[in-house]
Amino acid sequence: KNQVEQSPQSLIILEGKNCTLQCNYTVSPFSNLRWYKQDTGRGPVSLTIMTFSENTKSNGRYTATLDADTKQSSLHITASQLSDSASYICVVRGSMNSGYSTLTFGKGTMLLVSP
Amino acid sequence: DGGITQSPKYLFRKEGQNVTLSCEQNLNHDAMYWYRQDPGQGLRLIYYSQIVNDFQKGDIAEGYSVSREKKESFPLTVTSAQKNPTAFYLCASSPIQGSNQPQHFGDGTRLSIL
Repeated sequence: KNQVEQSPQSLIILEGKNCTLQCNYTVSPFSNLRWYKQDTGRGPVSLTIMTFSENTKSNGRYTATLDADTKQSSLHITASQLSDSASYICVVRGSMNSGYSTLTFGKGTMLLVSP
Repeated sequence: DGGITQSPKYLFRKEGQNVTLSCEQNLNHDAMYWYRQDPGQGLRLIYYSQIVNDFQKGDIAEGYSVSREKKESFPLTVTSAQKNPTAFYLCASSPIQGSNQPQHFGDGTRLSIL
């Protein structure tokens, strides 16, 4: 069964500090992995996508890593800001099934940045 | 600005009542999707559509129905057969299904039972 596990479930950090969120998956075969940011009461917004051949990708203060061998990804946030408070969702795209390329969503990590 | 518009933001359903959630996109995307989000759970796919007049069941389609009469619109009806409809419903679209392009999401409709 395809699964995406995220840790920690929730996290509180002080403004200006760094943090790292984890994503482990069992989706196979693997196509790509995407990190989304979801503000409370809003829809998710894509931060970055990782394909099989990519190890690291940055988007401003966000840096994602992927280890396809161990099926792990991380999202590192540098110099956190209050606006980073949100849920961060890891989504893995897997195999084609009857013409549909499956997406498996993690439950998300809720990040609170405190002043 | 291009995007996805969901309405209403909040919706209340009475016992035995069907309700329809609206989803409109002006991104010229072919594929559209409906997801359900419950506290502490990942998004679950209800229905998806790859082209006009065609749609497929997702993982939790029971108690829901959709239509795709126009490329821009993909309304979701929550029927009385859905016994636990309280949730946050998200509509999304993408250029084509299965590509590396991200799904663009609306800002959701929160459905509650009266």
